[in-house]
Amino acid sequence: EYVLTQSPGTLSLSPGERATLSCRASQSGSSSYSAWYQQKPGQAPRLLIYGSSSRATGIPDRFTGSGSGTDFTLTISRLEPEDFAVYYCQQYGSSPPLTFGPGTKVDVK
Amino acid sequence: QVQLQESGPGLVKPSQTLSLTCTVSGGSISSGSYFWSWIRQPAGKGLEWIGRIYTSGTTNYNPSLKSRLTMSLDTSKNQFSLKVTSVTAADTAVYYCAREEVTGYSSSWYSSWGQGTLVTVSS
Repeated sequence: EYVLTQSPGTLSLSPGERATLSCRASQSGSSSYSAWYQQKPGQAPRLLIYGSSSRATGIPDRFTGSGSGTDFTLTISRLEPEDFAVYYCQQYGSSPPLTFGPGTKVDVK
Repeated sequence: QVQLQESGPGLVKPSQTLSLTCTVSGGSISSGSYFWSWIRQPAGKGLEWIGRIYTSGTTNYNPSLKSRLTMSLDTSKNQFSLKVTSVTAADTAVYYCAREEVTGYSSSWYSSWGQGTLVTVSS
């Protein structure tokens, strides 16, 4: 079973700033990809990125995913007020169980 | 646009069985293009994968919960269900049903989620 770590735990930034979120897996499978989700209080997670770098339908291009193997990154180029939320990474490709990272909270500085 | 909606009791007594149903609209659970999954989130914590079921009835469960889990499909109602036996306070969480894409890999991402339902285990 993979263990995912996300850093930082909390990222305090101002609107308009760039956010860089990191996700690291304890091991890499023969096929290893990442997905990223955004979750706001009281809401279900929302898919942002799959296939490590593909944006889900309707996701603005200020969200960019990158990385491979065990290291993945989500970058938000310019934070909008609606982007302040918790972000979870998920690694997939290998057999279950599926795992999620502990999350990075992006809050207003 | 597919929609998923969880339903079930919000309060379950310790040692009893938690039962939830997810109703899918805007798409068929008989589609071979998806796994139908359950994920939970204790208050203030992260996401925990519970398990999934495919249209064939094949299931995969989280090893840490496997002995207490049963998932099933009801294609006539376009629903899938979760049962967790012998619950404790540690099972208190928001439970989400979600749709996982079937790809060429053993697992993939969750493209659609229900809104979640809070289940509290308490006497």
